[in-house]
Amino acid sequence: DAGITQSPRHKVTETGTPVTLRCHQTENHRYMYWYRQDPGHGLRLIHYSYGVKDTDKGEVSDGYSVSRSKTEDFLLTLESATSSQTSVYFCAIATIDREKLFFGSGTQLSVL
Amino acid sequence: QKEVEQNSGPLSVPEGAIASLNCTYSDRGSQSFFWYRQYSGKSPELIMSIYSNGDKEDGRFTAQLNKASQYVSLLIRDSQPSDSATYLCAVMNYGGSQGNLIFGKGTKLSVKP
Repeated sequence: DAGITQSPRHKVTETGTPVTLRCHQTENHRYMYWYRQDPGHGLRLIHYSYGVKDTDKGEVSDGYSVSRSKTEDFLLTLESATSSQTSVYFCAIATIDREKLFFGSGTQLSVL
Repeated sequence: QKEVEQNSGPLSVPEGAIASLNCTYSDRGSQSFFWYRQYSGKSPELIMSIYSNGDKEDGRFTAQLNKASQYVSLLIRDSQPSDSATYLCAVMNYGGSQGNLIFGKGTKLSVKP
């Protein structure tokens, strides 16, 4: 499983509340990613990180922020959750060439 | 906007048949191509990578690449019910600061016993 742990696995929250999802890795990978997966849209990149404190936006970054203060942890924050952010969120790490991704088990987030 | 297109399916094949999954991509400069398999309710897992024109075989799986036609395919020989899953095509995009994979929306494969 490439040593990736996502938490929580499931979360239900209300519109307007802040939510933080955590991705933890144990193998010192430089590259970490947050994707969301929705029916009809496939996997879409939210944000990614290429080192401690080094992050960049992906395709669907609006409404999301990230932080990486340690190599092993990559946090995704929804500052004020909306129903459109109901989705399955996957964290992934990449090999050094950035080409092969290994995914965590996912977080099912429901915003009511 | 660089795109990766797949037929969403479902593609239904009988057990033992060859399943053929197809993918096209828009960026002619792409060099690296991948197939991921995703079982229902699970996370995607990498099953094949291909970088050169032609075929690459791994067990029952064959990836095919035609850069001139901007076309990637995955063949699954002797399909088994356990192959029933969604197959995601991914293409490496080297634009932006670091480069990232762009995924197609996936093709759902159903193998009937």
